[in-house]
Amino acid sequence: DVKVTQSSRYLVKRTGEKVFLECVQDMDHENMFWYRQDPGLGLRLIYFSYDVKMKEKGDIPEGYSVSREKKERFSLILESASTNQTSMYLCASSFVGHSGNTIYFGEGSWLTVV
Amino acid sequence: KNEVEQSPQNLTAQEGEFITINCSYSVGISALHWLQQHPGGGIVSLFMLSSGKKKHGRLIATINIQEKHSSLHITASHPRDSAVYICAVRGGGSNYKLTFGKGTLLTVNP
Repeated sequence: DVKVTQSSRYLVKRTGEKVFLECVQDMDHENMFWYRQDPGLGLRLIYFSYDVKMKEKGDIPEGYSVSREKKERFSLILESASTNQTSMYLCASSFVGHSGNTIYFGEGSWLTVV
Repeated sequence: KNEVEQSPQNLTAQEGEFITINCSYSVGISALHWLQQHPGGGIVSLFMLSSGKKKHGRLIATINIQEKHSSLHITASHPRDSAVYICAVRGGGSNYKLTFGKGTLLTVNP
């Protein structure tokens, strides 16, 4: 079974802190994604990576950065957390292949910024 | 940009009922996903389809490319089916970008 693991399920951070959210997948997927999910807004793409050290901005990249130094690991960084970044963050991965791109999600990380 | 609309937003059913959730999108796509999210956050992919119909257990997903519409059906619903069901579409030519609907909250009462 494909497993996408997010390191922290629940975090509480102070405004201005630097926050790292880690995600690891075990299926050698090329694509990895970070989304945030807010009530009434659905899932929105923050950043996408299609290979090691490669990244593309999604729909809402402001206030976030990412790092992909190894294929299995994709990190989301909040350089200076703000209260409007309180949300649920979901990591996902997918394989690029002729059979399509079934997507696999992690369990989510609930971040509260106070 | 593709717009994805789901209906209904909320659905309450009695155990055993047949359930249908609908998804419409505005622009041509290469694939459509149905996802399930239980309380607590994790999302599971139920189906990915680009044409026709797929079945897995009590779940059936259909898509009509010409009408830009997909449906998710649950037969003999059970309380454990209670979850948020999310439709997501991948645009033609894109290998990764998904546009998500806002989800349908399904509650199945015993």
